[in-house]
Amino acid sequence: EPEVTQTPSHQVTQMGQEVILRCVPISNHLYFYWYRQILGQKVEFLVSFYNNEISEKSEIFDDQFSVERPDGSNFTLKIRSTKLEDSAMYFCASGTGEGGNEQFFGPGTRLTVL
Amino acid sequence: AQSVTQPDIHITVSEGASLELRCNYSYGATPYLFWYVQSPGQGLQLLLKYFSGDTLVQGIKGFEAEFKRSQSSFNLRKPSVHWSDAAEYFCAVGARQAGTALIFGKGTTLSVSS
Repeated sequence: EPEVTQTPSHQVTQMGQEVILRCVPISNHLYFYWYRQILGQKVEFLVSFYNNEISEKSEIFDDQFSVERPDGSNFTLKIRSTKLEDSAMYFCASGTGEGGNEQFFGPGTRLTVL
Repeated sequence: AQSVTQPDIHITVSEGASLELRCNYSYGATPYLFWYVQSPGQGLQLLLKYFSGDTLVQGIKGFEAEFKRSQSSFNLRKPSVHWSDAAEYFCAVGARQAGTALIFGKGTTLSVSS
């Protein structure tokens, strides 16, 4: 069964460094999403992406964040200058868009900012 | 404000016993509702969804959920719990339109005792 994959599974970085989290959505999906979950808190929406542009973004998704689909298979989230409070589990999701807003999630990347 | 409340942080159920996980939502438009399950180290797996029609929906792994508009609830049930059902369960609400955010509850951790 096709699934969303994410790399790396765990990323440790120093505060102020740039990180890129990578996702490979399910191949025939057209809608892509990033969410994050700070330890002990809710899963929170960051951004959605369709047709090579951002569809919707939350207040969390400020100028420090960017997303890109650099080729036909990858979807990336970049954090330009990481802060301690960026430490979280980051989930990528994708969906076909057919019939509704069903979203299929990857296993997540745990980002630790020191 | 749009929100999802899962009142139970942690529930323990005996193997073979029935299960009900509660979910209440506040959403301005017609809600589209989801239950996801997350096992340790895994991503969020979609258990079931409700868009419209029959208010009792069946999902994978023997789960079902009932939408009650008057109570703004979407409770998850299973008649007989298996040890492998131990996981964290998330209720989410969103719009039907693809590319839009899902709003998640804080989750309920299910433990299964033998």
